[in-house]
Amino acid sequence: AQSVSQHNHHVILSEAASLELGCNYSYGGTVNLFWYVQYPGQHLQLLLKYFSGDPLVKGIKGFEAEFIKSKFSFNLRKPSVQWSDTAEYFCAVIPNNAGNMLTFGGGTRLMVKP
Amino acid sequence: DTAVSQTPKYLVTQMGNDKSIKCEQNLGHDTMYWYKQDSKKFLKIMFSYNNKELIINETVPNRFSPKSPDKAHLNLHINSLELGDSAVYFCASSPQLSRASSYGYTFGSGTRLTVV
Repeated sequence: AQSVSQHNHHVILSEAASLELGCNYSYGGTVNLFWYVQYPGQHLQLLLKYFSGDPLVKGIKGFEAEFIKSKFSFNLRKPSVQWSDTAEYFCAVIPNNAGNMLTFGGGTRLMVKP
Repeated sequence: DTAVSQTPKYLVTQMGNDKSIKCEQNLGHDTMYWYKQDSKKFLKIMFSYNNKELIINETVPNRFSPKSPDKAHLNLHINSLELGDSAVYFCASSPQLSRASSYGYTFGSGTRLTVV
């Protein structure tokens, strides 16, 4: 079945550590890729998105993600995390051949220790 | 000026009751959606509406019925609530179909439904 996978369910880091969260998808063809963040008790906010062009995408709050088509991956990175980055992170995909259904991965809970 | 607003933010109700959650967007988007987030934070699409027509209807119980009086509103009505309906429900919207793929969705702040 077509899906979006986030293999890291829980990540705990100390402040200033580097972050990389994995995301893989199993859709064939062209896809549009997104990372959303959900801070505790809040709604989903768009961090960054990729739909064409440079595969290295920069988003808000110092986050970036790299689309590697050959690996069906769109990993999220940040060189130095802060305590305020503690949140749930969701990778999501809209395949171009499936209307506009935004399908989410299972999420990764990031906890940053001060 | 909240782009996608949902009411109520919290809803606690007894099993068997009927309840509604309202959603409004002021972005001029053509498509609106309802997502359910379970206790493990997994997000699953329930419905979407485009120009007042249902275009996606995942395998949700028919106790759930979306109602859209106009393209700025998509309400969710739930009949005969069950314990398993407890979750956070998110409304979202996106531009016309040809642009939604590159734009993404804008989400509301969620409604935490607790069935007791």
